[in-house]
Amino acid sequence: DAKTTQPTSMDCAEGRAANLPCNHSTISGNEYVYWYRQIHSQGPQYIIHGLKNNETNEMASLIITEDRKSSTLILPHATLRDTAVYYCILGGTSYGKLTFGQGTILTVHP
Amino acid sequence: GAVVSQHPSRVICKSGTSVKIECRSLDFQATTMFWYRQFPKQSLMLMATSNEGSKATYEQGVEKDKFLINHASLTLSTLTVTSAHPEDSSFYICSAETFLGGGQNEQFFGPGTRLTVL
Repeated sequence: DAKTTQPTSMDCAEGRAANLPCNHSTISGNEYVYWYRQIHSQGPQYIIHGLKNNETNEMASLIITEDRKSSTLILPHATLRDTAVYYCILGGTSYGKLTFGQGTILTVHP
Repeated sequence: GAVVSQHPSRVICKSGTSVKIECRSLDFQATTMFWYRQFPKQSLMLMATSNEGSKATYEQGVEKDKFLINHASLTLSTLTVTSAHPEDSSFYICSAETFLGGGQNEQFFGPGTRLTVL
């Protein structure tokens, strides 16, 4: 069973920030939070991951709460091409197998 | 970033035939590769974990004699769907894991293979 919960779907206007929440209340001390996305009929694409500090890269920012029980993926300026299913996954430094939940369907509209 | 390829990208076959899907890590060596299956409107389901030179580890409910996995080198893993039937029609995705610095690994996914069994 997936150890994270995400909203089923979200909408965002093009050019605005998309904030995707994820709850992981049972996260253990050595587990990282990973975010992937899957555009229709493609393989998942890595976005970002973090342990406890906030992280930022060229694609997104990851905000992890102090108690690590939830996190938010932020796409600062969403475009139509960001429309995809976004998966929040827990894993260790050695990934091992990833358990995908249902993810959040993000729809970016003009 | 690292690239993982899959071949073929889509295949249509008759019921009862076998289909081989290749997964290659193009610019890195993968200690471990994973095979996933995804049915329409569903999430990815892990089928098996494959380590180079050893037998694959299958998830519960996945028939190892039906889904044959070979990981002969650090850059190639193959999944063979034997005696395919229409219920095996699905999107098959592989991923390859490699070591980064600092004790961390990273996993890269292939583009997927769409299998349709008539």
